[in-house]
Amino acid sequence: EDQVTQSPEALRLQEGESSSLNCSYTVSGLRGLFWYRQDPGKGPEFLFTLYSAGEEKEKERLKATLTKKESFLHITAPKPEDSATYLCAVQASGGSYIPTFGRGTSLIVHP
Amino acid sequence: AAGVIQSPRHLIKEKRETATLKCYPIPRHDTVYWYQQGPGQDPQFLISFYEKMQSDKGSIPDRFSAQQFSDYHSELNMSSLELGDSALYFCASSLGLEAFFGQGTRLTVV
Repeated sequence: EDQVTQSPEALRLQEGESSSLNCSYTVSGLRGLFWYRQDPGKGPEFLFTLYSAGEEKEKERLKATLTKKESFLHITAPKPEDSATYLCAVQASGGSYIPTFGRGTSLIVHP
Repeated sequence: AAGVIQSPRHLIKEKRETATLKCYPIPRHDTVYWYQQGPGQDPQFLISFYEKMQSDKGSIPDRFSAQQFSDYHSELNMSSLELGDSALYFCASSLGLEAFFGQGTRLTVV
């Protein structure tokens, strides 16, 4: 069974304090790993897709990396507007293509 | 760019009533997913459709059913509502890997 574990559950940062969020996954074969941002009461907003170990993608202050067992979302010099829940999801290469989500990391960035 | 449209955004129903949630996927996307998200929980997969045919089924109660119509919009029908059905319901669509989500319907059962 595909499993996705995200840590920490919650993270408080000061503005400008860089940090990383972790997503550990267990899947029979990885088709893709996705990062989403979710604001309270809103739908997940797509950020990145990573396909293979060693891949990296960047968008503004966010950088996602992937290994064979985990992915990191690095946040460089965060701003208060980066406060949100960040969800990780995996899609297996065999069988069902349904994305399986982790519980997310709730990030609060204080000014 | 067009996004996934869900309606209504908010819905309040009483126990044992019926609710219908609608989803309009991104044009030309061939797959629609429905997810349920409780407070502080990760999105839980309910059901999906590929080219208007049901393709996968997750933890969807027997009281719920869904279908996708010829114009590709999808509806989630929920009957005999229970207090525990109160949640955010998301629809997502995809063409390939990435799933793009709508803003959700917040269902409150009282």
